[in-house]
Amino acid sequence: EAQVTQNPRYLITVTGKKLTVTCSQNMNHEYMSWYRQDPGLGLRQIYYSMNVEVTDKGDVPEGYKVSRKEKRNFPLILESPSPNQTSLYFCASSLSRPGGVTGELFFGEGSRLTVL
Amino acid sequence: RKEVEQDPGPFNVPEGATVAFNCTYSNSASQSFFWYRQDCRKEPKLLMSVYSSGNEDGRFTAQLNRASQYISLLIRDSKLSDSATYLCVVIRDDKIIFGKGTRLHILP
Repeated sequence: EAQVTQNPRYLITVTGKKLTVTCSQNMNHEYMSWYRQDPGLGLRQIYYSMNVEVTDKGDVPEGYKVSRKEKRNFPLILESPSPNQTSLYFCASSLSRPGGVTGELFFGEGSRLTVL
Repeated sequence: RKEVEQDPGPFNVPEGATVAFNCTYSNSASQSFFWYRQDCRKEPKLLMSVYSSGNEDGRFTAQLNRASQYISLLIRDSKLSDSATYLCVVIRDDKIIFGKGTRLHILP
């Protein structure tokens, strides 16, 4: 079954304790992306990756890191989480096309993170 | 001005009615357009692509107006299960830009 898998789905942590949210897709998609969703603010892109070893900042990259060592995995790292990073996080993947992406995104089920 | 704008709603519509909402985009270089649906606390899912010639899928019709830079979604014979947030998505090169969504409530 084609899918994007995120873990953990729910996490409560404390300020400053490093955490990683994993994302894996089994569709051989080149493009992967992380979003956070907050009430009234919609989906905001954190980082995206057009392919292995290629990552770029989205609209709200501060406080986050990513890596793309393999095509299927795109982990999101919070080196020192703060309460303003409490949010619902989505990973997504898509095929690429020449010059860009197709826009047909497949999303993971989301990871709800609370930072105390 | 935001690159993609939607009326946040909520649109409260009786079951069986027809409802339509628009999404405007500001960058004329935008290339591809989509509607996504998101249920409460769930992940967004692709509803349909949007073309200038129009695209129909059952009770749903999507249309692109490049001259006026907007896309539309029409839902006919609305069902309770259509209650959700509808997200407009615009593609420009490698940028995927989401609108904030329009909330739709179908009332019994």
